[in-house]
Amino acid sequence: EVQLVQSGAEVKKPGESLKISCQGFGYPFVAYWIGWVRQMPGQGLEWMGTIYPGDSDTRYSPSFQGQVTISADKAINTAYLQWSSLKASDNAMYYCARQENGNYKYWGQGTLVTVSS
Amino acid sequence: DIQMTQSPSSLSASVGDRVTITCQASQDIAKYLNWYQQKPGRAPQLLIYDVSNLQTGVPSRFSGSGFGTDFNLTVSSLQPEDTATYFCHQYDSLSTFGGGTKVEI
Repeated sequence: EVQLVQSGAEVKKPGESLKISCQGFGYPFVAYWIGWVRQMPGQGLEWMGTIYPGDSDTRYSPSFQGQVTISADKAINTAYLQWSSLKASDNAMYYCARQENGNYKYWGQGTLVTVSS
Repeated sequence: DIQMTQSPSSLSASVGDRVTITCQASQDIAKYLNWYQQKPGRAPQLLIYDVSNLQTGVPSRFSGSGFGTDFNLTVSSLQPEDTATYFCHQYDSLSTFGGGTKVEI
């Protein structure tokens, strides 16, 4: 069974760094792009970027380029989303999802990031 | 980057109604358009891929149509369990989601 398991909720202060994770189970992790999606409270879905764990080829939405870093460790079937300096506006739920033939059929459960002083 | 404009942003309908949600792309995306359903507190679920193909397990009352820049998601007979927010998603160039349509019954 394909599963994407995300790391737990985080509470951080503005200016702090953060790295959240998404671990894949039940399929060849290196063979599928993993995307990251932001959902701010009460808002819609925003595509942030994607990575191909096989060779770490990474693409970013222009809106998120330079704001976050997407990476992967294929040895442990895990993709990451990280911030070097969080802002209050980074308060959101973050989802990872596996892309297959262009669609996102499998999603992680989401990681809630709360940034508050 | 490609913008996806969804309308309406919300709608209220009755059980049994026929409901249509539209999604317009800022440029031609051919058939590279998916629809997702999201219920409160849950991750989105793939509903329709490549404009008109129902994901396994999705009721046949859902259908999709369109090509190029204009796309529709139709629910032929709305059911109580269809209360959710629906998002279109293009993957012709990177990815973009539409703003979402909240459907209430």
